[in-house]
Parts: sequence; C-alpha cells; structure tokens
Amino acid sequence: GIQVEQSPPDLILQEGANSTLRCNFSDSVNNLQWFHQNPWGQLINLFYIPSGTKQNGRLSATTVATERYSLLYISSSQTTDSGVYFCAVQEYSGGGADGLTFGKGTHLIIQP
Amino acid sequence: DGGITQSPKYLFRKEGQNVTLSCEQNLNHDAMYWYRQDPGQGLRLIYYSQIVNDFQKGDIAEGYSVSREKKESFPLTVTSAQKNPTAFYLCASSMGTGPYNEQFFGPGTRLTVL
Repeated sequence: GIQVEQSPPDLILQEGANSTLRCNFSDSVNNLQWFHQNPWGQLINLFYIPSGTKQNGRLSATTVATERYSLLYISSSQTTDSGVYFCAVQEYSGGGADGLTFGKGTHLIIQP
Repeated sequence: DGGITQSPKYLFRKEGQNVTLSCEQNLNHDAMYWYRQDPGQGLRLIYYSQIVNDFQKGDIAEGYSVSREKKESFPLTVTSAQKNPTAFYLCASSMGTGPYNEQFFGPGTRLTVL
C-alpha cells in the first residue's frame, strides 16, 4: 500500500515564528488532507488539497502531486497552534480500502 | 448542529467482554469509516461503509465487527478476539467514497481494557 512520511517528527518554536511541515507519499493520490489534532484528540480539518495551493488565514498548503509531496505552512505561530499535524492520503488506484492512509504526524510545540 | 457524534467518550472494559462504540452523523453523508489510533501513531482504517447494509474491511479489521442498518449510524463492536483493544477510536464520514471526497471526524472514544 501507499506510504506516507511526515517531517520533522517534532518541532519546538517560539511564538511568532514561521514553520513548514512536509508530507511525502509514495504513489499517486485522489485525496490529500491536512489535520490538526488538538490535546483532546479531536481531528480538525485544515485543508483538502489533492493538488495546488490554498490559504486560510495564517495557514497555507501546497501539494505538488507530480512530485508526490505536500507542504503545510504556519506563519506567526500562536500557542494555540500546538498539537499534532497529520497528513493523510487516499490512494489513486482504488485497489485497496477507500479510507485514508495517515502519516505518523508532526508534533508541534509553540512556546510563549 | 450538523456533525458527527461518538459515545461514550471514555469506555472501560474487562478482558473477554465485547463492547460497542456508537457513531452517528446528521450530515446526510453516504460513507462512514472507523479508525484506530495508538499512542504516538497515525490513524489506521478498521472498516468502512459506502451504503446501508454494505461494508468493507480496512487494514486492521481482525477482532472488530460493524453494521450499517441506517444511513446515519455505523456502530463498531470490539470483540474479545481483538488482542490489543486499548486505543483511541475515531469515526469519520464523507459525502461519497469515490475520488475527491473530504472526510470529517467525530470527537473519538477512548477504550481501555482492564
């Protein structure tokens, strides 16, 4: 099945800093989503972005499907941005399950 | 409010017991999914359903069972055959299951086997 690798695994920044999180995937995809998991475990949808670039406030994301990677940018970090960020993909071939395959996440800590 | 609800929030079970986790959605979504998350890991797919009375196994279906009698409900039973059931369980739904369908998640159920 498809492999999803996220980097870095851990990131500690000061409030106000910018960051870039990376997601590499091993095969073509139908769907790519970025999530933020808060301390209570809730997965919050950030972006649905199988290709192209999107922006939402301080967050933006870019997926280059032909090169099999996606980037999540966080600007002017706030302490509420802390948590785990997941990239998840749906494999294009459809031969397997239609669910999402998740990376292991990037654990982000924003210090005041 | 439209959304996905899961109950209970926390669940404790003795070894050898079956337990059922509830997942309900009022988004009128066709597809529903169950995932499992272990500490420090990403989510893994257990089962999914594209339509009422039909469901497919995911990557880690052994020891679990599901039903889909109503469009809005997709309960998951963790059976005594599941060797390591302690985990965080998340339910999700999407408008459809074909390409280009965004998934949305419920708040999750934490299951602990004593």
